[in-house]
Amino acid sequence: NAGVTQTPKFRILKIGQSMTLQCTQDMNHNYMYWYRQDPGMGLKLIYYSVGAGITDKGEVPNGYNVSRSTTEDFPLRLELAAPSQTSVYFCASTPQGRTEAFFGQGTRLTVV
Amino acid sequence: AQSVTQLDSQVPVFEEAPVELRCNYSSSVSVYLFWYVQYPNQGLQLLLKYLSGSTLVKGINGFEAEFNKSQTSFHLRKPSVHISDTAEYFCAVSSTTGNQFYFGTGTSLTVIP
Repeated sequence: NAGVTQTPKFRILKIGQSMTLQCTQDMNHNYMYWYRQDPGMGLKLIYYSVGAGITDKGEVPNGYNVSRSTTEDFPLRLELAAPSQTSVYFCASTPQGRTEAFFGQGTRLTVV
Repeated sequence: AQSVTQLDSQVPVFEEAPVELRCNYSSSVSVYLFWYVQYPNQGLQLLLKYLSGSTLVKGINGFEAEFNKSQTSFHLRKPSVHISDTAEYFCAVSSTTGNQFYFGTGTSLTVIP
């Protein structure tokens, strides 16, 4: 009963480094999302996917890339890390009707 | 597109007192409405949701919310709070036709002993 699994839980990056945040779900959900959470700002949508091979930009996509080669996996890539990307990142998935979003435990990223 | 406004960023309340966390939304189409709770250093957990039917929705931990279409509101209530209810609460909306969830900026509930 894993649900949505994110790795790593914590990471410190230096400016200019790159990394991939992993997200996997085992509920066969079509829809997957990446959000970032900053204090007092709620959740901002970075990218989302409505199925394997299909991705689209959300509110704050700059500096990030995604891919969706399988239904289960939706990795988020940071190519050139910047201090403004210091945040907590959440991956979520929903079934076809979007009647509930299931969240991972989050990745706390610090860029120094 | 939809949007969500949570009117209170912080709500302090004494233990065993009632609480109401306010949420208003805007949408030109039919919506689904949600309340999520986030405990410190954890992910978001569903408290309750409105999809259709009865406008009074009951969730976990004694919380309930009422969908008011005319006022475009979905306020969260609990008659008697506990220390363990201290957390961040997010209201969210999705539409029956769109692809996204939209979240409010959150309300930090602090229960005072």
